[in-house]
Amino acid sequence: QSVLTQPPSASGTPGQRVTISCSGSSSNIGSNTVNWYQQLPETAPKVLIYSNNQRPSGVPDRFSGSKSGTSASLAISGLQSEDEADYYCAAWDDSLNGWVFGGGTKLTVL
Amino acid sequence: EVQLVESGGDLVQPGGSLRLSCAASGFTFNIYAINWVRQAPGKGLEWVSYISSSSSTIYYADSVKGRFTFSRDNAKNSLYLQMNSLRADDTAVYYCARETYSYSHVGSFYYSYMDVWGKGTTVTVSS
Repeated sequence: QSVLTQPPSASGTPGQRVTISCSGSSSNIGSNTVNWYQQLPETAPKVLIYSNNQRPSGVPDRFSGSKSGTSASLAISGLQSEDEADYYCAAWDDSLNGWVFGGGTKLTVL
Repeated sequence: EVQLVESGGDLVQPGGSLRLSCAASGFTFNIYAINWVRQAPGKGLEWVSYISSSSSTIYYADSVKGRFTFSRDNAKNSLYLQMNSLRADDTAVYYCARETYSYSHVGSFYYSYMDVWGKGTTVTVSS
């Protein structure tokens, strides 16, 4: 059971907009910023969004993040086949003194 | 090129020990904190341990506390994860990941994230 809660799966057709939610608590998302990681099949994770809504250089602006209270969400617009991957939210937890991850959301592009 | 390369993964029997290494290159190693994150087969990401740039602060997940020891050698740009009393549920790909920590003047808050990841090394605990 992951500390952060994500839906296990999401799907959309090319060009659509999809959102992935991430729910936490006051000790993690409520107190700290949220990061999102993308893991393509058989590869290491890569940071997609940091500090709730910041994109590293090279990440397309189709990807956006937001946070409100103890929840966060990742939005992907103009869905493309190469977006098919697993997506994880993460935040530092002040009570556990460690990083906590969501269980991951497998995105399928239909 | 900024890079982290893990090594040391192997097949080990339950109760055994293993030492993982992570070699850093392409950046000023001694100013960054580093984390170990693992991923069991077919499962999600699980944070394992954190070490600050000077080794003054080290944190462990409850699942490994008392069994794993995280250390670093800044002179060698290297990190080590000593894993003892290994169990079947320690079977996973182990990634080391650099942590960037900064301050946002816009919102007046600190933030951090894992910005560089290695490709991982596989640990299998089985008899």
